[in-house]
This record gives sequence, C-alpha cells and structure tokens, in this order.
Amino acid sequence: GESVGLHLPTLSVQEGDNSIINCAYSNSASDYFIWYKQESGKGPQFIIDIRSNMDKRQGQRVTVLLNKTVKHLSLQIAATQPGDSAVYFCAENTNRDDKIIFGKGTRLHILP
Amino acid sequence: EAQVTQNPRYLITVTGKKLTVTCSQNMNHEYMSWYRQDPGLGLRQIYYSMNVEVTDKGDVPEGYKVSRKEKRNFPLILESPSPNQTSLYFCASSLNRGLDTQYFGPGTRLTVL
Repeated sequence: GESVGLHLPTLSVQEGDNSIINCAYSNSASDYFIWYKQESGKGPQFIIDIRSNMDKRQGQRVTVLLNKTVKHLSLQIAATQPGDSAVYFCAENTNRDDKIIFGKGTRLHILP
Repeated sequence: EAQVTQNPRYLITVTGKKLTVTCSQNMNHEYMSWYRQDPGLGLRQIYYSMNVEVTDKGDVPEGYKVSRKEKRNFPLILESPSPNQTSLYFCASSLNRGLDTQYFGPGTRLTVL
C-alpha cells in the first residue's frame, strides 16, 4: 500500500551539531511534501514544505531535500538547539486526491 | 489571532455514549480535516472536507461521522464510542485542499472506558 515512513524513530544529537531526519515514501504520484514539528502537548506545527518540481528548499536553519529517484525526503536542522527537541513528521499529498498521509514520526533528542 | 480551536481538550466517557468534539477555524479556510494520533502509528486521517457540505473519508473513518454545515466549523461525532477510539484527536485546516500548509488545533485527548 501507499505509505510514508521514517527510518529512525529516535535521534539523539549534540547541541550545536546538525540534525538530519529522514523519511521514505512509496507513492511516486505524491507531489507535495511537508515537515511538521510537534512539541510535547501541542499540535503539529508547519516547518517547511517542498513540491515535487524541486529537489531542495531552504528556510531559517532548516533545509528539506527531496530525492524522487529513491523516494526519499530529509530534513536538515543546522546548529541544533534545545528548542528543537520535538517529534518531527513528514507528510505527503498527491494531486489526484486530497488525502494527506503522515509518517510515524522521529523524536529528536538534544544532548547537552 | 488566526487559530484552530477544539473543544473539549480532555474528555473521559463510557462506551456507547454519543459525543461530539467541536472544531472551529477563523481563517476562512476551505479545507478541514480530523486526525487521530496513536503511539507507534503517527497521525492518521479520519475525515476531511473540501468545503461546505463536502466531506470525504480518510484512512480510518470507521466509527466516526463529520458534518460541514458552515465553513468555519467541522465537528467530529462519535455515535457509539468504543475503547479503541481512545486517542489524541487533532483538527486541522488549510486554505485550499491538502496541497497547502495545514494549521492544527491543540488536540483533544479522549478516553473511552
């Protein structure tokens, strides 16, 4: 079936280092991808998105890379800070319907 | 302030007692959606709505109903709740269909005994 998944359920990163969170998707028809951050006790919050006609998009301290050949999406966080500690979800959407499929999430843990 | 609100935030109920979780957005968004979040399963879409009077099933619609009589409101109805519907529920909205940034509500934690 069509699904979005994450390779690592938990990622521990030293404060100040860069973090890379990965996501695999199986639906080649997906054309819009989003990364969300969910802090404890809160709803998911939009971080950055990318459309399938791009392979890289940068925001403030975050970069999303899309590799359509291997159906892989990654979120890079530069100079990881304690406030980055959260669960990160990737999500995909296809142009043919309006369902949104979320990955299971990766918990990012910041080491002091 | 642009926001999505949900009520109640916490609810404990018993099997079979009908309940409604309300969702409201003040951004004039066309697309609204309900998700449930369970450990190890992530966020799963229950129902979504493209606009007033237009609703569609997501991936896990069984046991739920929704309505979209007004653009701003999208209530989630559990006619006969069961313990397997114990979960954290999120409402979300976006300007136009799913191909757009979704804004999430704060969540409703439901426990069905």
